[in-house]
Amino acid sequence: DTEVTQTPKHLVMGMTNKKSLKCEQHMGHRAMYWYKQKAKKPPELMFVYSYEKLSINESVPSRFSPECPNSSLLNLHLHALQPEDSALYLCASSQVAPPGLAYEQYFGPGTRLTVT
Amino acid sequence: AQSVAQPEDQVNVAEGNPLTVKCTYSVSGNPYLFWYVQYPNRGLQFLLKYITGDNLVKGSYGFEAEFNKSQTSFHLKKPSALVSDSALYFCAVRDPLDSNYQLIWGAGTKLIIKP
Repeated sequence: DTEVTQTPKHLVMGMTNKKSLKCEQHMGHRAMYWYKQKAKKPPELMFVYSYEKLSINESVPSRFSPECPNSSLLNLHLHALQPEDSALYLCASSQVAPPGLAYEQYFGPGTRLTVT
Repeated sequence: AQSVAQPEDQVNVAEGNPLTVKCTYSVSGNPYLFWYVQYPNRGLQFLLKYITGDNLVKGSYGFEAEFNKSQTSFHLKKPSALVSDSALYFCAVRDPLDSNYQLIWGAGTKLIIKP
């Protein structure tokens, strides 16, 4: 199974709502990532979890709150978002590489988020 | 500063012709290099990577890429393009000294294959 699943596929939320994005993988990967992608642009890294611990937070506003409940699941909690947060949110996973190696990331299909 | 350049916003190729999507990088040391493809309204799919060894790397869907250290390039190639290859292609680089697995992404190149 080389699939990363994300739910929901689409999400429309108001600026006062609270919602969560979910990501799941069963490849035994111990690194998981959240990216934000605007149309026709490269993905922007938001968070990295390694062995279920947050290892990177790329100066993301606190209205985005990640959570990694176990090695297969990754959540992104959303609260009080702004219209400029509308984007495709991508989850990815990879093996943790020892020095001298690098593993590719496997991406989910994304959640298309619209903030109204 | 570390960077990746994809000099062409768009590449147009006739079906059956060879295609090349260009990527150059500026990273200290010996970088790890990746190509990903994104079809409309989809996530990114891994195509191939260069870590070390043979400069010519073969990947998914008949794609290959050649690592050229002197020119700091990692161009993506395919001998015969298919209409279904039309997509957005991203080159990405990882500094081997970065323990946080961060990728530096190119801006992307839209590949259009015309029948």
